[in-house]
Amino acid sequence: QQPVQSPQAVILREGEDAVINCSSSKALYSVHWYRQKHGEAPVFLMILLKGGEQKGHEKISASFNEKKQQSSLYLTASQLSYSGTYFCGTETSYDKVIFGPGTSLSVIP
Amino acid sequence: DTAVSQTPKYLVTQMGNDKSIKCEQNLGHDTMYWYKQDSKKFLKIMFSYNNKELIINETVPNRFSPKSPDKAHLNLHINSLELGDSAVYFCASSQDRGVYNSPLHFGNGTRLTVT
Repeated sequence: QQPVQSPQAVILREGEDAVINCSSSKALYSVHWYRQKHGEAPVFLMILLKGGEQKGHEKISASFNEKKQQSSLYLTASQLSYSGTYFCGTETSYDKVIFGPGTSLSVIP
Repeated sequence: DTAVSQTPKYLVTQMGNDKSIKCEQNLGHDTMYWYKQDSKKFLKIMFSYNNKELIINETVPNRFSPKSPDKAHLNLHINSLELGDSAVYFCASSQDRGVYNSPLHFGNGTRLTVT
């Protein structure tokens, strides 16, 4: 029931782009994306709802393909502050978010 | 203003002891959660309460007992602590019972170390 994330880890240089993928074996109501920096709490980035609308916030955006039960997070022109672990959380049943194993993203100068 | 606050931040204790973690949110949210994050960073949901009513109880040992005295507070009591309980425990809240379009707001976590 846990979603699958890929890649497991990625290292970028400042200014490079990255894509993090999330897929589920079950039909999804929504997909959440969170970022967690070392030693801190996960912080909400965005929610993708059924309907496939792409959402974005500055240089971080995401898409949701409900037919394929997949979501992707796009980070463009990465900054040092983007470093952290990115979690997708899937809602396959009402009431709860099940998180993927996380993708570690490191941005280096 | 702290939105979701947990105490204590660190908890070091010996096997067999009983301990509690407290959580409070001032966001006016109806639903609160406990998540456990292990050493591999895997975030696993444990419990969820909506307006003091238990709505999610994942496969968690009976030694873990949540209590919600009101919708702004959710505490976690752990009996007979074991080495495997060592983890970071996060409290979270969301506005509605359904997480559809309702983000999770996390507390800063309680790092529990059992020796």
